[in-house]
Amino acid sequence: AQSVAQPEDQVNVAEGNPLTVKCTYSVSGNPYLFWYVQYPNRGLQFLLKYITGDNLVKGSYGFEAEFNKSQTSFHLKKPSALVSDSALYFCAVSHLSGYSTLTFGKGTMLLVSP
Amino acid sequence: DVKVTQSSRYLVKRTGEKVFLECVQDMDHENMFWYRQDPGLGLRLIYFSYDVKMKEKGDIPEGYSVSREKKERFSLILESASTNQTSMYLCASILGRGLGHGYTFGSGTRLTVV
Repeated sequence: AQSVAQPEDQVNVAEGNPLTVKCTYSVSGNPYLFWYVQYPNRGLQFLLKYITGDNLVKGSYGFEAEFNKSQTSFHLKKPSALVSDSALYFCAVSHLSGYSTLTFGKGTMLLVSP
Repeated sequence: DVKVTQSSRYLVKRTGEKVFLECVQDMDHENMFWYRQDPGLGLRLIYFSYDVKMKEKGDIPEGYSVSREKKERFSLILESASTNQTSMYLCASILGRGLGHGYTFGSGTRLTVV
């Protein structure tokens, strides 16, 4: 079975400061890893993905994520937070072999203060 | 721009009613999914379909069924609504079996069962 852990329910950061939203995963085989963002009363929007290759993945809105196989982590980062980044962030995992569905974490609320 | 459309944003139904949640995608995607989202639990997969008239159970199928008569439409059915099915329901679709492009989500239907 595959699983995702997002250890923080909420992350608070001041505008202009760097942010990190943590994610660890468990999957048999090589992972597909995703980050999604959800704004209030909206569906989820795709931010970025890791499938293979470079461990540092760049995505939408200036976000990036670092894949660390030894630590089974895929933390989301941004060098300088904006108030408009405040939203709910979900990490998701699947595995490469064959067909499978995405398993999501519980979500982390990011609050960026002015 | 690709689109997944859920017919209702907000729905209020009575206990015991049969409820239909509709999802339509205009991207000719083979695969469609229904998730429910609850605070602190993240997204949990209810059912998915990888072809017309095909369906597979997800992690929490009890109390739900689905219908996929046409490629573009995937319906979630609550056979006899109960208060513990009050939730946000999210539909998603993806092209093919590979996850390389990530899911496209609808805006969600917030269902309240009274």
